[in-house]
Amino acid sequence: EVQLVESGGGLGQPGRSLRLSCTGSGFTFGDYAMIWFRQAPGKGLEWVGFIRNKPYGETTEYAAAVKGRFTISRDDSKSIASLQMNSLKTEDTAIYFCGRCRRPSILTSYYMDVWGKGTTVTVSS
Amino acid sequence: EIVLTQSPGTLSLSPGERATLSCRASQSVSNRYLAWYQQKPGQAPRLLIYGASSRATGIPDRFSGSGSGTDFTLTISTLEPEDFAVYYCQQYGGSPLTFGGGTTVEIK
Repeated sequence: EVQLVESGGGLGQPGRSLRLSCTGSGFTFGDYAMIWFRQAPGKGLEWVGFIRNKPYGETTEYAAAVKGRFTISRDDSKSIASLQMNSLKTEDTAIYFCGRCRRPSILTSYYMDVWGKGTTVTVSS
Repeated sequence: EIVLTQSPGTLSLSPGERATLSCRASQSVSNRYLAWYQQKPGQAPRLLIYGASSRATGIPDRFSGSGSGTDFTLTISTLEPEDFAVYYCQQYGGSPLTFGGGTTVEIK
């Protein structure tokens, strides 16, 4: 079964750091770009960032709201994508989902065909 | 950035009825690169439709997508009890990818 499982959520203080992990199973992790989303309480879906796979240099892109504070990395040998969240703000409070990316060509962005169940991050003093 | 506007915000219908959800883009979505997702409370989103009209694996044929350019529609032909949920559209033709604000389909 193709599956993604997020972990690492919890309570973080403003200005501090948290690290989330997304572990994949049931597919060849290194064949796919991976993406992180978040959903603030009662709100819609917001893209956080993604990491391309090795043939595309494992390059990353980030939403403006997190650029310079969050970093995505991957370890294909362990089928893990990580989200390092630094300089946390209260507005980072959300459920964080990871997703497996698909795209019709290298000229387009991604849609997501597999999602994890999410991990909750609460930023509060 | 392409802004997606979904309407209505909430759709109140009964099981067995037909649901029509709209997603309008601020500019043309290239090659119909638009996806639809379903999200139930406490669950992850699930891919329903990609490429505006292609059903994802395992999605029942009561779900159909249509449209092009700036106007897209998700239709649920006959609502089943498990279809009451929030639905999001997402475009991936332009960067960055963007989501609509969602339509809640609730039981009337």
